Amino acid sequence: QITLKESGPTVVKPTQTLTLTCSFSGFSLSHNDMGVGWIRQPPGKALEWLALLYWDGDKLYSPSLKNRLAITKDNSRDEVVLTMTKVEPLDTATYFCFRTVMVWAQRIPNYCDYWGQGTQVVVSS
Amino acid sequence: QSALTQPPSASGSPGQSVTISCTGTTSDIGTYYHVSWYQQYPGRAPKLLIYEVDKRHSGVPVRFAAFKSGNTASLIVSGLQPADEATYYCCLSTGNNISVLFGGGTKLTVL
Repeated sequence: QITLKESGPTVVKPTQTLTLTCSFSGFSLSHNDMGVGWIRQPPGKALEWLALLYWDGDKLYSPSLKNRLAITKDNSRDEVVLTMTKVEPLDTATYFCFRTVMVWAQRIPNYCDYWGQGTQVVVSS
Repeated sequence: QSALTQPPSASGSPGQSVTISCTGTTSDIGTYYHVSWYQQYPGRAPKLLIYEVDKRHSGVPVRFAAFKSGNTASLIVSGLQPADEATYYCCLSTGNNISVLFGGGTKLTVL
């Protein structure tokens, strides 16, 4: 059974760094063509794709946020960590992690077939 | 790249069919076949319905179908049921400077 679960702070102050953890089970991120990433959704708004960690350690970021994001894997655990620097109120959102499978023989994320339940983050002083 | 364009709302009566469009450009939807559709209930995570334009994910009823024509992808929900009332998002992954785009979402109301 494949599961993902997000964890992290509920409230973060502006200018601080947000760190979110995605704990997953039921699959191996080291398996070819696999990826784990993050998407967020501000209250009442659409989904926004943020970042992806490939099975081989490569990373892909949203062009609009790449200067503030970092995605890493805890090699001792099945966890993927997203950090976002210099948060501001516009970063208030529910953050979801997901599993993705790449298009065969390419590095294009094909679809997100498993999702975590999401974690709400409020940026406020 | 701009987000994909979806109508903000759609509606239909039980038993009817509804089509939700997702419009892009010749550079994205017009070129790539990595279109997926997601269903999201309020307060819940999105759920994969369709991938690679028209393939139903495991367990998705045949009432959900999809296709692509030119720069527009479409999701068709047939035999509308009250449980279909949700927000639907299209998503596209592109190559050449790999990126992932979402539509703005369409809230489907079953009258």
